[in-house]
Amino acid sequence: DAKTTQPTSMDCAEGRAANLPCNHSTISGNEYVYWYRQIHSQGPQYIIHGLKNNETNEMASLIITEDRKSSTLILPHATLRDTAVYYCIVRVVWTGNQFYFGTGTSLTVIP
Amino acid sequence: NAGVTQTPKFQVLKTGQSMTLQCAQDMNHEYMSWYRQDPGMGLRLIHYSVGAGITDQGEVPNGYNVSRSTTEDFPLRLLSAAPSQTSVYFCAVQSFDTTDTQYFGPGTRLTVL
Repeated sequence: DAKTTQPTSMDCAEGRAANLPCNHSTISGNEYVYWYRQIHSQGPQYIIHGLKNNETNEMASLIITEDRKSSTLILPHATLRDTAVYYCIVRVVWTGNQFYFGTGTSLTVIP
Repeated sequence: NAGVTQTPKFQVLKTGQSMTLQCAQDMNHEYMSWYRQDPGMGLRLIHYSVGAGITDQGEVPNGYNVSRSTTEDFPLRLLSAAPSQTSVYFCAVQSFDTTDTQYFGPGTRLTVL
C-alpha cells in the first residue's frame, strides 16, 4: 500500500518555482523518499531521491523535514514540459522492494 | 526510457484470447518488473523478477504469467484475456547502483473487447 499522501492537483505559473508536497508520517528509519514523474502516459521517469539530507540534481531539489514525516519536491523554474503527474514514494533501498505508486499530484504549468 | 523496449505499442484482443507482451533491456540489470496502469490511477505491480530463473508475484498477479530465462527478456503472458485487463502495461528495469532507481519502458496499450 502507498505510504504517502499528496494533493490531487496543483497549478504553477511558467517560470516560477513549483513546490510539490508529500506527507509520509509513517516512514521508517531505513526508508528513502523517491520522486518520479509521468508525462502524458509515458513510462514514469526518475527525478530524485533522498534519506534525510536535502538533495539537488539537475532536475529538482528535494527538501525533507527534520522529522522526515514530510518532504517537498521543488522544480525551480517550471516550464510547460514539466506538466505531468508527480509521484512520491517511500521504500527501503537495495532490497528489491517494489515501488508503490499512489495516484500522485497532477501538476499543470500555466503559460 | 533508456535501454528498455516494449512490444507491441498497441494491441486489441477479444475476450478469451491469449497473447504475450514483450519486454527487453540492454542495461544488464537483474531486477525487472511489470506494472499495469488503469485510467486515472497509479501503477500497480503485477510480477517481478530478481534475476534469470526467479520470479515472484506483485499486487495484482491473477490472470498473468511470467518467466525469466535470460537477463535481457521478461515477457508477460495473458492466458485468457478479459475486459478487466484493458490497461496500459509498463515494464521496468531496476538499477542497483547509487541511485537504486527504476527505468521504465514506453508502455503497451492493451484493449480487451
